[in-house]
Amino acid sequence: AQSVSQHNHHVILSEAASLELGCNYSYGGTVNLFWYVQYPGQHLQLLLKYFSGDPLVKGIKGFEAEFIKSKFSFNLRKPSVQWSDTAEYFCAVNALTGGFKTIFGAGTRLFVKA
Amino acid sequence: GAGVSQTPSNKVTEKGKYVELRCDPISGHTALYWYRQSLGQGPEFLIYFQGTGAADDSGLPNDRFFAVRPEGSVSTLKIQRTERGDSAVYLCASSAADRGGYTFGSGTRLTVV
Repeated sequence: AQSVSQHNHHVILSEAASLELGCNYSYGGTVNLFWYVQYPGQHLQLLLKYFSGDPLVKGIKGFEAEFIKSKFSFNLRKPSVQWSDTAEYFCAVNALTGGFKTIFGAGTRLFVKA
Repeated sequence: GAGVSQTPSNKVTEKGKYVELRCDPISGHTALYWYRQSLGQGPEFLIYFQGTGAADDSGLPNDRFFAVRPEGSVSTLKIQRTERGDSAVYLCASSAADRGGYTFGSGTRLTVV
């Protein structure tokens, strides 16, 4: 069965620090990969997605993620975080031969200190 | 509409009662998904509709859960004989294509007492 593992449940950073949130998935076939963000009091929003092509994907608000197929990873990065990046981040995977479900990780809560 | 609308936003019900949760997707989105999110966890897949038909209902936990989308737009998630363990936020999402990124609604927080 597919699964998604997010390495950190809670991350605390100061403004301007660099961010990397880990995500690994367990599926050997072709996948679509996503990062979603949920800001306090808001609904889940798509941050970025990878379907094919360049494994370095750029999303909104300066976020990027790199797909490393050999490591089954899709880590999220941002060079310099802002207080407004405080949110919960979810990695998600859709296996193209695994039905239509997208599997989500448990999420990482990021708190950015001003 | 501009986004995915879910009603009610909050629902408190007694154990054993029947509840219906409504989702109104983005106009023109043929794919509709229901997820359930418990505290401290990520969204858990329940069911996927393509048009009027349930293309994948493998996530429904048991036969107390049922969902319909009779006209290919609005969907209703129905839970019979609710149990305390059904308490969670029920999320609806839609997309213009299979497997694409979703647009989520704000969810319905269901509390079974």
